[in-house]
Amino acid sequence: KAGVTQTPRYLIKTRGQQVTLSCSPISGHRSVSWYQQTPGQGLQFLFEYFSETQRNKGNFPGRFSGRQFSNSRSEMNVSTLELGDSALYLCASSSYRTNYGYTFGSGTRLTVV
Amino acid sequence: KNEVEQSPQNLTAQEGEFITINCSYSVGISALHWLQQHPGGGIVSLFMLSSGKKKHGRLIATINIQEKHSSLHITASHPRDSAVYICAVSEADKIIFGKGTRLHILP
Repeated sequence: KAGVTQTPRYLIKTRGQQVTLSCSPISGHRSVSWYQQTPGQGLQFLFEYFSETQRNKGNFPGRFSGRQFSNSRSEMNVSTLELGDSALYLCASSSYRTNYGYTFGSGTRLTVV
Repeated sequence: KNEVEQSPQNLTAQEGEFITINCSYSVGISALHWLQQHPGGGIVSLFMLSSGKKKHGRLIATINIQEKHSSLHITASHPRDSAVYICAVSEADKIIFGKGTRLHILP
């Protein structure tokens, strides 16, 4: 059974650019959540999608956005990149069948220069 | 004060020792999670608890809802257990993470 797949694994962008990250959940999982991990702040919740609807959102500026498609795949977008956006971005999928335990992807490491 | 506090921040122990990592939280929760993160970033969900105790192999997780406290125990620790262990709580519409405990098991 395939796990949670995040692409790309590594990304280098320039300040001011925008970036789109992709997350494919485990087959049958309808909930996808996104997290940012930095050395200073640790893991922080970005947002969660369920059946193409954003259910919850963390305390991040509007430059961070996301969406979920009908096949449950999700994308997150960061516009007008800042140096501080350099981080490991993780997504996780979950399902009521796993009692909503999370399965994490390997993450996308974004470096903004 | 962080809503989720873990202790200790760092822990070094000898192979075979019994390990305990603690997590205290200050918010109402629907569930508590223990996560393991190895160097390189991959995160594995170890447990999701809403009450009582769960065991998986050498790992045991307990939670006391009244005291807002959870512990993760590792019996017969092994160098491959070396990782960062993260406590997280599901609160209403978000999940809040602790800063993690870095565990290093010496052979």
